[in-house]
Amino acid sequence: QKEVEQNSGPLSVPEGAIASLNCTYSDRGSQSFFWYRQYSGKSPELIMFIYSNGDKEDGRFTAQLNKASQYVSLLIRDSQPSDSATYLCAVNEAHDMRFGAGTRLTVKP
Amino acid sequence: EPEVTQTPSHQVTQMGQEVILRCVPISNHLYFYWYRQILGQKVEFLVSFYNNEISEKSEIFDDQFSVERPDGSNFTLKIRSTKLEDSAMYFCASRRSGGAFYSYNEQFFGPGTRLTVL
Repeated sequence: QKEVEQNSGPLSVPEGAIASLNCTYSDRGSQSFFWYRQYSGKSPELIMFIYSNGDKEDGRFTAQLNKASQYVSLLIRDSQPSDSATYLCAVNEAHDMRFGAGTRLTVKP
Repeated sequence: EPEVTQTPSHQVTQMGQEVILRCVPISNHLYFYWYRQILGQKVEFLVSFYNNEISEKSEIFDDQFSVERPDGSNFTLKIRSTKLEDSAMYFCASRRSGGAFYSYNEQFFGPGTRLTVL
């Protein structure tokens, strides 16, 4: 059974702080990893994807991947109240994608 | 910007009835997916579809479910005899290319259809 685990939170950070979201996965053969943001009642919205070990930066977001530890994370710098949402980690195999349960983030003004 | 669309946005049905949920994927995408999300729970993979056939399906996707691409644009999910536990948000997604190492590997989600089974 392929598992994707996330700390469900809630995670609360003050505006302007760094939010750190973590995810582990069980299938060592997994190759591609995604972070989606989901607002309540809405569909998942892609934030970032990462395939290679190391860091990948896109604006205020940085994804980090460590395949040896089967660990992927998302850092959000200068957090804004509009970043308040549930963040979903997803691991893509060839024909399916497995999601974690999501971490609920609240950014307080 | 191209997007995945889904209809209806909300479907209410009686237990035991058949429902068809419709999706129009992004036009140059080749891979299509259905997911469901029960209220308060995680997004669950149901099925993937490529080249007019199912690529993979989860244990949730039993004989009550079927998918079809009846024409060049629509992608449908049929639930033959709905149960109360089928009440959920159903998301369609599409992807341009395939394989874990290829670019354009991201899946883009539609807005979802909320299915309520009474």
